[in-house]
Amino acid sequence: QKEVEQNSGPLSVPEGAIASLNCTYSDRGSQSFFWYRQYSGKSPELIMSIYSNGDKEDGRFTAQLNKASQYVSLLIRDSQPSDSATYLCAVNGQAGTALIFGKGTTLSVSS
Amino acid sequence: DTAVSQTPKYLVTQMGNDKSIKCEQNLGHDTMYWYKQDSKKFLKIMFSYNNKELIINETVPNRFSPKSPDKAHLNLHINSLELGDSAVYFCASSQDWASGDPGELFFGEGSRLTVL
Repeated sequence: QKEVEQNSGPLSVPEGAIASLNCTYSDRGSQSFFWYRQYSGKSPELIMSIYSNGDKEDGRFTAQLNKASQYVSLLIRDSQPSDSATYLCAVNGQAGTALIFGKGTTLSVSS
Repeated sequence: DTAVSQTPKYLVTQMGNDKSIKCEQNLGHDTMYWYKQDSKKFLKIMFSYNNKELIINETVPNRFSPKSPDKAHLNLHINSLELGDSAVYFCASSQDWASGDPGELFFGEGSRLTVL
């Protein structure tokens, strides 16, 4: 059974701080890795994708991938109250398989 | 224009009834999906169609039957509804399944099903 694990949280950080969200996956053959954000009552939306080991930065967001450790993380710098949401880690394995989602980490940013 | 639209957004029904949810995407994508999100926010794949062909069928009771009349539409029919079917059902689409990377999933707004 392919699994994606995340701490459910809640993760609470003050405004302006760095929020660090972590994810591990079980399928060593996984090739693509994604972070989705889901506001309460809304649908998930893609915020970052990463395919190679290392860091990928996009504005205040940095995704980090370590395939040897089967670990993906998302850093949010200068956290804002509008970042308060559930962050879903998603992993894609071999061709013909769908994205497998983790259970999500709830982030709360206090002003 | 809404990229992925689902109807209805809310369904409240009694146990044992049958209900359908419809989904349409205007993105020109080849692949469409049904995901179920339970009360704990766990988003789980149910089915996937690529150009009207069923390609993923996870362990889902036979009471759930998807249908794709064309690549822009994917419907979900549920027979004999049970309490445990209460959840939010999300339709999604993606462009490139064949390469093995579904890339970005575009989700509909979800259909919240409540079974009483």
